[in-house]
Amino acid sequence: DQQVKQNSPSLSVQEGRISILNCDYTNSMFDYFLWYKKYPAEGPTFLISISSIKDKNEDGRFTVFLNKSAKHLSLHIVPSQPGDSAVYFCAASPGNQFYFGTGTSLTVIP
Amino acid sequence: DAGVIQSPRHEVTEMGQEVTLRCKPISGHNSLFWYRQTMMRGLELLIYFNNNVPIDDSGMPEDRFSAKMPNASFSTLKIQPSEPRDSAVYFCASSRGGAGFYEQYFGPGTRLTVT
Repeated sequence: DQQVKQNSPSLSVQEGRISILNCDYTNSMFDYFLWYKKYPAEGPTFLISISSIKDKNEDGRFTVFLNKSAKHLSLHIVPSQPGDSAVYFCAASPGNQFYFGTGTSLTVIP
Repeated sequence: DAGVIQSPRHEVTEMGQEVTLRCKPISGHNSLFWYRQTMMRGLELLIYFNNNVPIDDSGMPEDRFSAKMPNASFSTLKIQPSEPRDSAVYFCASSRGGAGFYEQYFGPGTRLTVT
């Protein structure tokens, strides 16, 4: 059973607008969360992380929000750029391994 | 510095044949992971090694799958005999520390097709 779920397989956003990618998890023991970005024919690359002691972490155009009570994670990209078009995976860990979602394919339209 | 290196990048084989996927982790990283990516299940952890020792192989689907790490710079994932349902992209990743605490660096993947 998937412990990390990304319910939107795809998302399209206009260039310059905000992209919001969502992730839900079921295991309350998860305490460290990451987002990865994947281009076609490449491996995922680390984007941003957050630990459970925080509810927000920001890195340039990328911000990750964590709502522990709702077991929900989101990634905001502002402003979105065409180069952000990729598949985004969220991952969560209780400390011994990472569990990945199925990914959301983001298309940023110029 | 070179990233994680995987070979081959693509493998097409017939059902019943043996398949060996190879991985060279980033120098200095002491944890290595094998993942399988499918549309239905996303990235699934198959096995991970720490300091060349297999720590958790609970994700290995069945006895047809085996993995080795003879030294800190090389690992293999073998499927014997291969089946069409094994078709997927297999990723190797490495990290500088424990499995659930450090970001992992992924190789480009091996796309396996079993006909």
